[in-house]
Amino acid sequence: GAGVSQSPSNKVTEKGKDVELRCDPISGHTALYWYRQSLGQGLEFLIYFQGNSAPDKSGLPSDRFSAERTGGSVSTLTIQRTQQEDSAVYLCASSSPGAGGITYEQYFGPGTRLTVT
Amino acid sequence: QQQVKQSPQSLIVQKGGISIINCAYENTAFDYFPWYQQFPGKGPALLIAIRPDVSEKKEGRFTISFNKSAKQFSLHIMDSQPGDSATYFCAAKVPGGYNKLIFGAGTRLAVHP
Repeated sequence: GAGVSQSPSNKVTEKGKDVELRCDPISGHTALYWYRQSLGQGLEFLIYFQGNSAPDKSGLPSDRFSAERTGGSVSTLTIQRTQQEDSAVYLCASSSPGAGGITYEQYFGPGTRLTVT
Repeated sequence: QQQVKQSPQSLIVQKGGISIINCAYENTAFDYFPWYQQFPGKGPALLIAIRPDVSEKKEGRFTISFNKSAKQFSLHIMDSQPGDSATYFCAAKVPGGYNKLIFGAGTRLAVHP
């Protein structure tokens, strides 16, 4: 079956431009997460969606970052006025409640590599 | 409190050897500890996971050892193979209503033939 997909796979943009990164989660997965992976670093949590709501936005690094999710499916991460320090791989993951409503495994997409020049 | 410290940053092992990656945490409320494996150009994928009420979990060549009192856990890869060459991330789940994971910085493993 189809896994989590992300587009574009690579994005090069000039400093100061806005970018949109897209995530298509696994069909039926209600939870969606965005992470940032900088070179040599771990995965930095950005935001969590349950359905179309984002109860945890605590990882967004600044107000230049925003995300939305529509129809309980596709999510878009937007970075405004990009800076060089925004260069990283942006990963999306989705998950679905298992037995007892407990959601543990996160399924990751391949990521979008963003380079800000 | 919310950090997970992972070591080593990189590891080279000969084929057939044992790879050991260690993680330490401070928050005793963490309630689930997964390991993720990431190949170049791919997203991380769940490899194996353990709950804090268990001291060891084994799946094939992969074993998690968990020391609750020391607040440490480790991944052991027995009979390491070149195909195991990847980056490994430990993580810890924050207790609460959803699956918020705090990840370690990752270990890049290279298994030489």
